[in-house]
Amino acid sequence: GNSVTQMEGPVTLSEEAFLTINCTYTATGYPSLFWYVQYPGEGLQLLLKATKADDKGSNKGFEATYRKETTSFHLEKGSVQVSDSAVYFCALSPLQGAQKLVFGQGTRLTINP
Amino acid sequence: GEEVAQTPKHLVRGEGQKAKLYCAPIKGHSYVFWYQQVLKNEFKFLISFQNENVFDETGMPKERFSAKCLPNSPCSLEIQATKLEDSAVYFCASSQSQGALNTEAFFGQGTRLTVV
Repeated sequence: GNSVTQMEGPVTLSEEAFLTINCTYTATGYPSLFWYVQYPGEGLQLLLKATKADDKGSNKGFEATYRKETTSFHLEKGSVQVSDSAVYFCALSPLQGAQKLVFGQGTRLTINP
Repeated sequence: GEEVAQTPKHLVRGEGQKAKLYCAPIKGHSYVFWYQQVLKNEFKFLISFQNENVFDETGMPKERFSAKCLPNSPCSLEIQATKLEDSAVYFCASSQSQGALNTEAFFGQGTRLTVV
């Protein structure tokens, strides 16, 4: 079956610190991988995605590389800001058509000034 | 429309009452998904539609939950005889399938259901 495991939170960092949130997956075939972000009181927004092995998704200073050999899609940012405080979800979607997203459990990130 | 519109934003129901949630997908999107987010952030897939047809309903509790996507109407998710454990935020998402490629799912703001 398909599953996503991400780093347990909460994660608290100081502004300008380096961020890594780990995400590993189990899937049949070649899924697409996503990072979604949920700001307080809001819905999910797509942060970045990668659809095949070795693809790097990037947006707003965040990056994640699709690593098939380690079945990972870790989220990184070189210098976080207070405005990055949110809950981050790693997710996968199987190839071939519009399939449901399988989410990790979410990682709450708090950035202190 | 250009965004997924969910109504109402908040819904409070007494235990045993019916709850009905609505979702208008982005115009031109063929797929609609419903997810339930419970307190610990976990997202649980409920059901998906391809136009008005059920595509995948493996996550739907069979007994009290039902959903529809009828032409020219918002999609709906209905819970008959709500229970305390149904309290959650229900998110709707829509996407435009492009054959074998996965396209982005756009999420609405969610409906927070509180069963008291």
